[in-house]
Amino acid sequence: DAGVIQSPRHEVTEMGQEVTLRCKPISGHNSLFWYRQTMMRGLELLIYFNNNVPIDDSGMPEDRFSAKMPNASFSTLKIQPSEPRDSAVYFCASSSYRGTDTQYFGPGTRLTVL
Amino acid sequence: KQEVTQIPAALSVPEGENLVLNCSFTDSAIYNLQWFRQDPGKGLTSLLLIQSSQREQTSGRLNASLDKSSGRSTLYIAASQPGDSATYLCAVSLTQGGSEKLVFGKGTKLTVNP
Repeated sequence: DAGVIQSPRHEVTEMGQEVTLRCKPISGHNSLFWYRQTMMRGLELLIYFNNNVPIDDSGMPEDRFSAKMPNASFSTLKIQPSEPRDSAVYFCASSSYRGTDTQYFGPGTRLTVL
Repeated sequence: KQEVTQIPAALSVPEGENLVLNCSFTDSAIYNLQWFRQDPGKGLTSLLLIQSSQREQTSGRLNASLDKSSGRSTLYIAASQPGDSATYLCAVSLTQGGSEKLVFGKGTKLTVNP
């Protein structure tokens, strides 16, 4: 298996632009997670899907952030408009159970907002 | 609110030493605890998962223990090697409002010197 696939690996954009991050979970996994990692705050869960349905989005920082999972093999995290404080590494992870099993992480997208 | 703390934040040891990484959590109502490894610029890899009913798990040179009542876990690495150099993160799994999520510590950066 190719593992969790994320694109792009690096994104540099200017403040105010829209950013879309993409994730393909491991085939057969029914849970998908979006995390953000910064030096100051560590790794934080943003949103979690189970069977393509958003279960908990309490970690989404504000309305500028949105996530979708239109099918079992694809998810997006969108930031509109982006701000410099959004600069971080964004990870997608998937698991085969409702979050209490091992999660498999993608390589991450390093986002820089100028 | 569940908080996970890892001490020390960084650790440097000579090759061959046995070492212990510490993790503490504030709420003992967890489903499981996991130890992850993160290499620079990479995603996280799960090393060991301990269910709340278990006391320890072993994999090769790694041994993780869990004491739920005291809110502590340790990761023991025997005969450390330079290839063990990485950041090690501890995470607890819990439910909040019907969803399940991982709460991470900020990690211990381990350097094993040849």
